[in-house]
Amino acid sequence: GAGVSQSPSNKVTEKGKDVELRCDPISGHTALYWYRQSLGQGLEFLIYFQGNSAPDKSGLPSDRFSAERTGGSVSTLTIQRTQQEDSAVYLCASSPRTPGDNTEAFFGQGTRLTVV
Amino acid sequence: TQLLEQSPQFLSIQEGENLTVYCNSSSVFSSLQWYRQEPGEGPVLLVTVVTGGEVKKLKRLTFQFGDARKDSSLHITAAQPGDTGLYLCAGAKAAGNKLTFGGGTRVLVKP
Repeated sequence: GAGVSQSPSNKVTEKGKDVELRCDPISGHTALYWYRQSLGQGLEFLIYFQGNSAPDKSGLPSDRFSAERTGGSVSTLTIQRTQQEDSAVYLCASSPRTPGDNTEAFFGQGTRLTVV
Repeated sequence: TQLLEQSPQFLSIQEGENLTVYCNSSSVFSSLQWYRQEPGEGPVLLVTVVTGGEVKKLKRLTFQFGDARKDSSLHITAAQPGDTGLYLCAGAKAAGNKLTFGGGTRVLVKP
C-alpha cells in the first residue's frame, strides 16, 4: 500500500485478555515506531525499531507490553493481560532512514483499543 | 517530565486572529519537526528545521528554530477554522536517535 497500515482500526477487549496490534510500514522504510495516545493528549513513545532490532524499548510501560518486527517490515505490538488503563489509540509510524536525519515520520491511522 | 515541553496546551481563538505555539527543551536537538494531527488521523509533517536561527514559512505558518537549537515556535497568521488541530513538535538529538514528541498544543479556531 501507499501508506502505513494498522489493523485492526478498533479493538474492544475484556480486561485480562491479550491483544495483538499490527503495523505494516511503508515498503523500504527501515525505522518503525510505536506510540500511544490517550484522548486529547500528545504521543507517548513506546518502542523504536531499526530493521528488526529494537535499540530503544524504554517506553514500554510494563512487561505486559512487547513488540517484534520481522523481515524488516511488519511489526506486532502485543499487550498481555490487558488493563483498563491500556485503553488508548496506538499509533505506528515508519521512516525511510535513520531517525535524526531530518526524515519525515509517516503515521498510520492508529488502532483504538478499549479495555472493558 | 517531557523532554520537549509545549505551551500552551490549549488555545481557542477567533478566525482571523494570530497565534503562537512554543516548543522548549533544555536539550540541544539536531533537528526539530512540527506535525499537525486531525481527529481520527495520524500526525502529518508540516516542516523540519535543522539550523539554529532558521525561519521557514509555509503560507500563513511561520516556524522558527532557536539559535541554540533547544526551542522552536510556530506562528499562524490570520488563523482559519481549517487550522484547527493538535500541533506536535518532535525532535531528534542526533542522527540515529529516536524521534521524541512534545505533549502537543490543541488549537481551536472558531468561525
